[in-house]
Order: sequence, then structure tokens, then C-alpha cells
Amino acid sequence: DSGVTQTPKHLITATGQRVTLRCSPRSGDLSVYWYQQSLDQGLQFLIQYYNGEERAKGNILERFSAQQFPDLHSELNLSSLELGDSALYFCASSVAKSGSTTGELFFGEGSRLTVL
Amino acid sequence: DAKTTQPPSMDCAEGRAANLPCNHSTISGNEYVYWYRQIHSQGPQYIIHGLKNNETNEMASLIITEDRKSSTLILPHATLRDTAVYYCIVTAGGTSYGKLTFGQGTILTVHP
Repeated sequence: DSGVTQTPKHLITATGQRVTLRCSPRSGDLSVYWYQQSLDQGLQFLIQYYNGEERAKGNILERFSAQQFPDLHSELNLSSLELGDSALYFCASSVAKSGSTTGELFFGEGSRLTVL
Repeated sequence: DAKTTQPPSMDCAEGRAANLPCNHSTISGNEYVYWYRQIHSQGPQYIIHGLKNNETNEMASLIITEDRKSSTLILPHATLRDTAVYYCIVTAGGTSYGKLTFGQGTILTVHP
């Protein structure tokens, strides 16, 4: 158990819909990262938040957005869903400050999104 | 971040050492070598990281060549539960910290 909690574990929805994925980081971790894992793209970094502020963006679509709340939990919002958005979405957290040189990321078990 | 090259798959007998190679010939002086693994579709799990010295922890050992262009992850006594995809990642941290670039990795199969 990494200490990172993601909900829901599984989600099935239709094209054009909007969903919200939730992540609770490990206690004390200020940084939250979102990753997407699809069959054709592999594991890809989407976005990072540190103590409520966006710190880095990766290959995140404009239809996707995220935020980190004062209690440090984070939500990833996916809208106008397409079939290609079907994937595993992982959240990770770390204790290291943004911009640190080293340190491990702790990943949650993921949310599996299926768009029909 | 420097690109890494790993064999797509490897086999190992249970109880034997598993040696997973990684090439990172374009690594820069400030870049670290990280290893993560992913068991089935679970979240990736950190294994070990290093800069230039060899490192060992309770899970594995990391051997980095003197020129730092390649490294080897060693699982000393592989078990069936070590069957997973192993990712070698090179990253400088700093503004790139946490923005890990996962390649295709090596699928390690440990058999009885």
C-alpha cells in the first residue's frame, strides 16, 4: 500500500460525458502528479501540483483539467470524453519540494476509465 | 531527459538473480538513473535510483558503469512476485522532477 488513494477504481461512461477522478496523496506529501496509461501511448505525465499550485504540465489535453485543494487532495476532470480517453489514470505524490533533485514518487492503484 | 533503451523482455528462474540492463548513452552529468516497476496494472513502484555510485537497498542493487552510459538493476533472488514490467528512467530532477518519462520497459518473467 503506497498510501495514495484514488477513487473511483473503475468508471464506465459514454462519449461526450464528463468525469472527475479523485486522489488523496500520502499524509504530508505536498506534490501530486497525474499520469495516463493507455495501450498505445504507455505511461505519460499529465500535470503536477505543489501545495495547491500548478507546477508542471505534460501531454494534457485542453479537455482535461486538474486542481489541488487546500487539504491537498487533487481532482482530475475529463470532459467531452472520447473513445481514446479510455485508459488507466494514476495519481502519484511525493514529499519532496517542487524542483527537488531526487526522491521517489508513490503511485496510487489507478482509476480505470472506459469510454463507450 | 536522456533516452533509455531496454530489452523488451527477459526470463529468470525463481531464486536466481535477475539482471536487467539499461542503456542511457546520452545521459548528462546531473541526471539520475531511476528504476520503477509495474506489476500487472497496478501503480508503478519505485525500486532504486543512483547518480554515479552503485546503490543497494532492500529490494535491489543498481550498478552504474563508470562512464554512466549504462546501468544494471539486480534483483538478487527473484521470486514469482517479481514478475513485472521494469522501467529504467533518466531524469535530472529540478524543474523536471516528477515528470518521469516511462519507455516501454522490460517485461521480466520469473518462472518456477
